[in-house]
Amino acid sequence: DAGITQSPRHKVTETGTPVTLRCHQTENHRYMYWYRQDPGHGLRLIHYSYGVKDTDKGEVSDGYSVSRSKTEDFLLTLESATSSQTSVYFCAIRGTDDNRNEQFFGPGTRLTVL
Amino acid sequence: GNSVTQMEGPVTLSEEAFLTINCTYTATGYPSLFWYVQYPGEGLQLLLKATKADDKGSNKGFEATYRKETTSFHLEKGSVQVSDSAVYFCALSASKIIFGSGTRLSIRP
Repeated sequence: DAGITQSPRHKVTETGTPVTLRCHQTENHRYMYWYRQDPGHGLRLIHYSYGVKDTDKGEVSDGYSVSRSKTEDFLLTLESATSSQTSVYFCAIRGTDDNRNEQFFGPGTRLTVL
Repeated sequence: GNSVTQMEGPVTLSEEAFLTINCTYTATGYPSLFWYVQYPGEGLQLLLKATKADDKGSNKGFEATYRKETTSFHLEKGSVQVSDSAVYFCALSASKIIFGSGTRLSIRP
C-alpha cells in the first residue's frame, strides 16, 4: 500500500462548471502524476509535479491545471468542464531508491460531465 | 521516441488455459520494463518488472522476459484462473513511464 488516496471517488457535474480532484500521499514522495484513462487510449499523462510548486505538462494538458502547495497534495482542476473530460482519473507517485522507475497508483476518480 | 505496443483485446480464455499477451517496445538506451494489472474498479498495480536484458520478472504465476534482440516483454502464465480477469498494461521506463493501451483479459470458469 503506497498510501495514496483520491477524492472524490465519483463525481457527476455539468458542462462549464469547475471541478477539482485531490490526490493525497503519505509517503513524502517528490514526484506525483495525474493520468486519465479512456477506452482504447490506455493511460495518458495530463500533468506531473517534481516538487512543491514545480509542475509540468503531459501529453493531454489542455483544459487542465494543477497545483502543488505541499508535498502530500497534488490537485487537478478542470476550470470549465467539458463532456470530453468524462473519464477515470488516476493519481500516481514515483517510487524511490530501488523502486525509482516504478509508479504507484491511487484508486481513481470517475468523473462524468453531463 | 519511446513507445509500447501491446496485443489488443479483449482476450477470453477458459480456466487453466495458457496465456500469452504480447508486448513490444521501441526505446533508445536501456529502459526498465513492467507489467501492471488493473482489477475492476481499482488503480493499476505493479505485477512484475525487469530492469535489464535477459532478466525474467515473475509474480503470482506470471512471467515475462526482457528480450532486447526482439524488443519484447511478453506476459505468460501457464494456467489462468478466473481471478486473473483484469486489464493488463505493458510499460517502459526511461526518462518517463510510457504505458501500452492495455489488454482486457476475461477467464471463463
